Amino acid sequence: QVQLVQSGAEVKKPGASVKVSCKASGYTFTAYYMHWVRQAPGQGLEWMGWINPNSGGTNYVQKFQGRVTMTRDTSISTAYMELSRLRSDDTAVYYCARDPGYCIGSSCYNGNWFDPWGQGTLVTVSS
Amino acid sequence: DIVMTQSPDSLAVSLGERATINCKSSQSVLYISNNKNYLTWYQQRPGQPPKLLFYWASTRESGVPDRFSGSGSGTDFTLTISSLQAEDVAVYYCQQYYSTPTFGQGTKVEIK
Repeated sequence: QVQLVQSGAEVKKPGASVKVSCKASGYTFTAYYMHWVRQAPGQGLEWMGWINPNSGGTNYVQKFQGRVTMTRDTSISTAYMELSRLRSDDTAVYYCARDPGYCIGSSCYNGNWFDPWGQGTLVTVSS
Repeated sequence: DIVMTQSPDSLAVSLGERATINCKSSQSVLYISNNKNYLTWYQQRPGQPPKLLFYWASTRESGVPDRFSGSGSGTDFTLTISSLQAEDVAVYYCQQYYSTPTFGQGTKVEIK
């Protein structure tokens, strides 16, 4: 079955960087976009961007432009999200989530919805 | 960005009773060319990641019980649980994918 397994919790100081990994299994890694979504404690969901594992192309929410970098290693079916210049309000659970995509006729598209999700990685930013 | 607003923020329903959650978008998420509403619903149980329930506003994901239904079009959408079960205690989110993905603030469903 499709499974996304993320790296473990991290504690970082303000100004540092964090890199979260997301290992995919059960499907062809390069065939589906991968998204990153975060959730601050007790708060809602915030989309951060996606990576196309096939080309390495990325699309980031403007809010995170310049601080987020999404990469992948196709040899091990793993996506990464690195966030730099961390602040206390970056404390959150970070999720990777696969884009199921959809096809209409012979044309297929990035769906921009999310299924399944990884288990989440808690990143705590504290001095 | 399209703003998604859910109502209510929380609701308490007796077991076996109906739960209704509303979601309103700040602009239409209906794509005229294919007549599809670019809206999903997710369920997030405590301590777990979100789980997809519906896409295209009303297409039920495989494995989702049929007591769950999604409806609506344009800017107004509804998630209904026809007969609440204990395992349905969760926070429910709507999300639009018509443009840059955005989520509603969530609706917490509890047992009365």
